[in-house]
Amino acid sequence: GAGVSQSPRYKVAKRGQDVALRCDPISGHVSLFWYQQALGQGPEFLTYFQNEAQLDKSGLPSDRFFAERPEGSVSTLKIQRTQQEDSAVYLCASSLSKGAASNEQYFGPGTRLTVT
Amino acid sequence: QKEVEQNSGPLSVPEGAIASLNCTYSDRGSQSFFWYRQYSGKSPELIMSIYSNGDKEDGRFTAQLNKASQYVSLLIRDSQPSDSATYLCASQDYGGATNKLIFGTGTLLAVQP
Repeated sequence: GAGVSQSPRYKVAKRGQDVALRCDPISGHVSLFWYQQALGQGPEFLTYFQNEAQLDKSGLPSDRFFAERPEGSVSTLKIQRTQQEDSAVYLCASSLSKGAASNEQYFGPGTRLTVT
Repeated sequence: QKEVEQNSGPLSVPEGAIASLNCTYSDRGSQSFFWYRQYSGKSPELIMSIYSNGDKEDGRFTAQLNKASQYVSLLIRDSQPSDSATYLCASQDYGGATNKLIFGTGTLLAVQP
């Protein structure tokens, strides 16, 4: 079946531009996560949705970062006034539910953001 | 600060050997652990999950969990050059409303033909 999809796969932005990154989770998956991965590091949590509710945004690095999932399926991560330190791979993951037996997270291919 | 620690490697093993990858975690409350494989330029791919103390086997992979020692490992038997990748260990944070994953920095495995 179809996995998690993300678009665009690559984005180059000039410093100060706004960007929007899209995630389409696996059909029927309730939980959706955004992570940021810097080169040579493991992914770091940004934010979490259960259906359309954003239950945790503790990992968002600044108020320039905003995420939404208005209908409980597709999610968008928006970064305003991009800075060079925002350059990273942004990964989206989804899982079926919050329950212990179905909480395995599956990642999309990621969006590589380069801020020049 | 909840942490997952891994040796960054590289861990070099000859083809056909057993590769042993290890990680430790700081949060005693963690219940679920995962191993992801990440090829260069690609996204993490889930290969094993483990929730109970002991061993869990799936094909050439065995995950081991020791909650008393806060230690998780992954064994890869009959290593192949195609296993060369970064292996990420993750614990799941059950605190609050989220099931976010806390990742280590990954161990680079190189299988020599």
